[in-house]
Amino acid sequence: DAGVTQSPTHLIKTRGQQVTLRCSPKSGHDTVSWYQQALGQGPQFIFQYYEEEERQRGNFPDRFSGHQFPNYSSELNVNALLLGDSALYLCASSLGDSANYGYTFGSGTRLTVV
Amino acid sequence: AQSVSQHNHHVILSEAASLELGCNYSYGGTVNLFWYVQYPGQHLQLLLKYFSGDPLVKGIKGFEAEFIKSKFSFNLRKPSVQWSDTAEYFCAVNLGNAGNNRKLIWGLGTSLAVNP
Repeated sequence: DAGVTQSPTHLIKTRGQQVTLRCSPKSGHDTVSWYQQALGQGPQFIFQYYEEEERQRGNFPDRFSGHQFPNYSSELNVNALLLGDSALYLCASSLGDSANYGYTFGSGTRLTVV
Repeated sequence: AQSVSQHNHHVILSEAASLELGCNYSYGGTVNLFWYVQYPGQHLQLLLKYFSGDPLVKGIKGFEAEFIKSKFSFNLRKPSVQWSDTAEYFCAVNLGNAGNNRKLIWGLGTSLAVNP
């Protein structure tokens, strides 16, 4: 049991469409970070949400946006999907807004854009 | 830009062999270092981490890693691997200054296969 729940587990979308991915953090965690992992690559930081605000953003275009709710759960939205957005999207939760506090990862959402 | 290099992309070992996976990073300031593992069909899990102090850190399942500041390295070791160590191993770095410690920078990963 990862403690972090992501939904859906798999998703197929068409170019130009929009997608919303969801994450429920581990109980007791208040911070959610999102990472994109392309095939054969390490995870790339998209952004982090803490206290319902985006606290830091990686090198991703504005098509990627997110939200954190009062219960600490989070959504990742991607607009105008491109083929290159096909990847595994990982949600990581932690207590506190530093990556040093230790992440708990979910199993990810596999997004395929066709 | 800061980066993390893992030298071995695919490693195949027999049980009881010794393991060393290389990791180097490019950043001259304070860093915090991590090794994560992903077993087949499972989520990423923290194996061990280094913040400060003794540069030899011990993690779960008999793994250890040594931080060598002069070499910008954080190599992972295990004296005797088991079949159950078959997994993907990722080295990750956090830049220690407060403004940049919200994210991890990851290597490409090393796929380890241990033959029984």
